[in-house]
Amino acid sequence: GENVEQHPSTLSVQEGDSAVIKCTYSDSASNYFPWYKQELGKRPQLIIDIRSNVGEKKDQRIAVTLNKTAKHFSLHITETQPEDSAVYFCAASAVSNYQLIWGAGTKLIIKP
Amino acid sequence: GAGVSQSPSNKVTEKGKDVELRCDPISGHTALYWYRQRLGQGLEFLIYFQGNSAPDKSGLPSDRFSAERTGESVSTLTIQRTQQEDSAVYLCASSRQGFNQPQHFGDGTRLSIL
Repeated sequence: GENVEQHPSTLSVQEGDSAVIKCTYSDSASNYFPWYKQELGKRPQLIIDIRSNVGEKKDQRIAVTLNKTAKHFSLHITETQPEDSAVYFCAASAVSNYQLIWGAGTKLIIKP
Repeated sequence: GAGVSQSPSNKVTEKGKDVELRCDPISGHTALYWYRQRLGQGLEFLIYFQGNSAPDKSGLPSDRFSAERTGESVSTLTIQRTQQEDSAVYLCASSRQGFNQPQHFGDGTRLSIL
């Protein structure tokens, strides 16, 4: 079945710098890749998603890139701010049903 | 519009008791998911409902766990004879019908087993 690996598990960056989180997936038929942000004690919230018919999508300071050949996708956050501190989860669509296969999460720490 | 609603927000109970958690999905969302999230960990899939189809129960960790859903509305997750390792946040999510639909999460129920 589908498997999603997410790296790094923890990422610490200086405020104002960029952060990149990468996920790899195993099933080449997966075609939907969302990213969720979970602040401490809160629900996971969708921040951006991409479908396999595009290679990149941007929304203000966040962007996601998809490399279907290499089977990996990445979240890019530019000009990081303290409120970006959270755990970020990637996911990939399961081919056989409507489910999502989740990465293990990345704890992003923004240093002042 | 209203989001996914879960109740109770917190539940403290003694080991061995049964608990029932409730999820009210977004209106019109045919798919409903339950996840377990232990402290500092990721999302562990439990069960998935899609319309009137048979649920996917492949993530339920033991026969103490069960879930029901009435049509396309409320779902309840029941844990019988609770154990300390059941302590976690139980998250519910719902989505529209079809592939590649984003899941919308509730605030979760924080379950503590004494």
